[in-house]
Amino acid sequence: QSALTQPASVSASPGQSITISCTGTSSDVGGYNYVSWYQQHPGEAPKLMIYDVSNRPSGVSNRFSGSKSGNTASLTISGLQAEDEADYYCNSYTSYSTPYVFGTGTKVTVL
Amino acid sequence: EVQLVESGGGLVQPGGSLRLSCAASGFTFTNYWMHWVRQAPGKGLAWVSRIDFDGSRTNYADSVRGRFTVSRDNAKNTLYLQMNGLRVEDSAVYYCAGGARGAYYFDPWGQGTLVTVSS
Repeated sequence: QSALTQPASVSASPGQSITISCTGTSSDVGGYNYVSWYQQHPGEAPKLMIYDVSNRPSGVSNRFSGSKSGNTASLTISGLQAEDEADYYCNSYTSYSTPYVFGTGTKVTVL
Repeated sequence: EVQLVESGGGLVQPGGSLRLSCAASGFTFTNYWMHWVRQAPGKGLAWVSRIDFDGSRTNYADSVRGRFTVSRDNAKNTLYLQMNGLRVEDSAVYYCAGGARGAYYFDPWGQGTLVTVSS
């Protein structure tokens, strides 16, 4: 079972929008609406940003949104801000013997 | 305040053992699956293990199955990870995280504890 595939890095200027993809298979991303996204700043624990593909926890900015099409999930950050510079990881429930798998991670840089 | 606090990390030789603990407070511990997630230095997150509400069901990543054992003491609101046969590649920050009843995501998270396996 391999990690979900994410781009290594994405960058944009403040105020712009970016989209991070997370590609899996029909046994994970494509098979369940249980994709979540986590933000991690250096030296800190991950923070839940999106759950169940497109739901935002209380307190998370509405600039963050999630979606899914087939075996690929996406996280979009609109109106990019300096504080959004961090690593982002997707996660999916799976039908494999290992019930959860993370993505490879994406470093977001605000230019 | 919802809080998870890990402890027990440290330096251990290859083949050695270590037990991690995760103390929970501020939420109803028995309503949460509990998970261990690790992150090797400079690498991404990797799911390690989970245990259900009363400890009757557990799951493991292929890379640790047969060497690691997850358990919990609901009377003490504490999660454990017994790690035996440690390998250099097990070196990582180990996070505990909660998964609420019916949830397929991880929230809250602890701050992590560092495990270094080296001779």
